[in-house]
Amino acid sequence: DGGITQSPKYLFRKEGQNVTLSCEQNLNHDAMYWYRQDPGQGLRLIYYSQIVNDFQKGDIAEGYSVSREKKESFPLTVTSAQKNPTAFYLCASSIMGQDDGGYTFGSGTRLTVV
Amino acid sequence: AQSVTQLDSQVPVFEEAPVELRCNYSSSVSVYLFWYVQYPNQGLQLLLKYLSGSTLVESINGFEAEFNKSQTSFHLRKPSVHISDTAEYFCAVSPRGNTPLVFGKGTRLSVIA
Repeated sequence: DGGITQSPKYLFRKEGQNVTLSCEQNLNHDAMYWYRQDPGQGLRLIYYSQIVNDFQKGDIAEGYSVSREKKESFPLTVTSAQKNPTAFYLCASSIMGQDDGGYTFGSGTRLTVV
Repeated sequence: AQSVTQLDSQVPVFEEAPVELRCNYSSSVSVYLFWYVQYPNQGLQLLLKYLSGSTLVESINGFEAEFNKSQTSFHLRKPSVHISDTAEYFCAVSPRGNTPLVFGKGTRLSVIA
């Protein structure tokens, strides 16, 4: 079955360490997105990519970095510069040129920094 | 820039009662509108969408939403809720043209037996 996989589901890190969240899709979707979810804040866009080797900052990109070396993969690195990294992170993908809101979401990674 | 306002952060309702989750948006251009549902510790699933045509759209599990252009609203309704409808619901907007969805802050629907 096609889908989008985020790993790990739970992640614990010490303050000051960089950490990379994995997102892989086998839907042949062109576009991929990273959102951050905090209680009462909804989903806020961190980064998105519409083609390989290209990506754009979202509303809250500071302290995060991404890469898009392959169409299937869009890893997110939470750096030590991110002031409050503990959150639920959601990855999504969609077909470019198809504006029907057909985002497919992964099941999320809950990051806790101690 | 687009923005989405979900007026209620939490909505408790008794089982088999009707419910309305409110959503207003701001945009200077034509938009597409969506409702997504999230069950605990999961990703989001598309519930229904308005792209064009009939302003009343329905989902397979009994929810419906009506696009009201003059009031810039897209409220979600269900005439009779079930325990299994307990979840968080997100309204989202997309201006036409390959830009990312903008989400509201969500409404937590709690159905009480």
